[in-house]
Amino acid sequence: DVKVTQSSRYLVKRTGEKVFLECVQDMDHENMFWYRQDPGLGLRLIYFSYDVKMKEKGDIPEGYSVSREKKERFSLILESASTNQTSMYLCASSKTGYNEQFFGPGTRLTVL
Amino acid sequence: AQKVTQAQTEISVVEKEDVTLDCVYETRDTTYYLFWYKQPPSGELVFLIRRNSFDEQNEISGRYSWNFQKSTSSFNFTITASQVVDSAVYFCALSEPIQTGANNLFFGTGTRLTVIP
Repeated sequence: DVKVTQSSRYLVKRTGEKVFLECVQDMDHENMFWYRQDPGLGLRLIYFSYDVKMKEKGDIPEGYSVSREKKERFSLILESASTNQTSMYLCASSKTGYNEQFFGPGTRLTVL
Repeated sequence: AQKVTQAQTEISVVEKEDVTLDCVYETRDTTYYLFWYKQPPSGELVFLIRRNSFDEQNEISGRYSWNFQKSTSSFNFTITASQVVDSAVYFCALSEPIQTGANNLFFGTGTRLTVIP
């Protein structure tokens, strides 16, 4: 079974802090994704990566950056956290092509 | 532009009732894929089904069935004889083709299903 793990289930940070969210997948998938989920808005794509060191902006990249130094790991970085970045963050991975994405358990981030 | 609409925000049914979750999509692509995911209270999205744009056959998996109709751009999901364990948020998603090989998913806003015992 595909396993996607995220470094924390719950995280509380202060405004202005630099925040790292880590995601690891164990199925050698080429593609990895970061979404945020907010009530009434569904899932919105922040960034995705289709190969090591490659990244593409999604629908809402402002205020975020990403890093993919190894195939299995995809990190989401909030350079200076703000209260409007309080949300559930979901990581996913998939094989190349029209394949289903497999999701991690999510990180609920609260920025005070 | 791709768009997925799940007009039903919340649905409540009594256990053993059948329930249909609606999904309507918009796309200019001729090749696309549609997905359904389940998000139980634990929070992790669980993949349920993938359907490509060239296959309009209905699919049944146990108590779950899916009806794909290109003429109405709909991909509806029916749960037969609902159970309490079916209580979750269900998301419909549309896949956009990208040259890099990654498939972005456009998600609907989800339908929260509550099955009352």
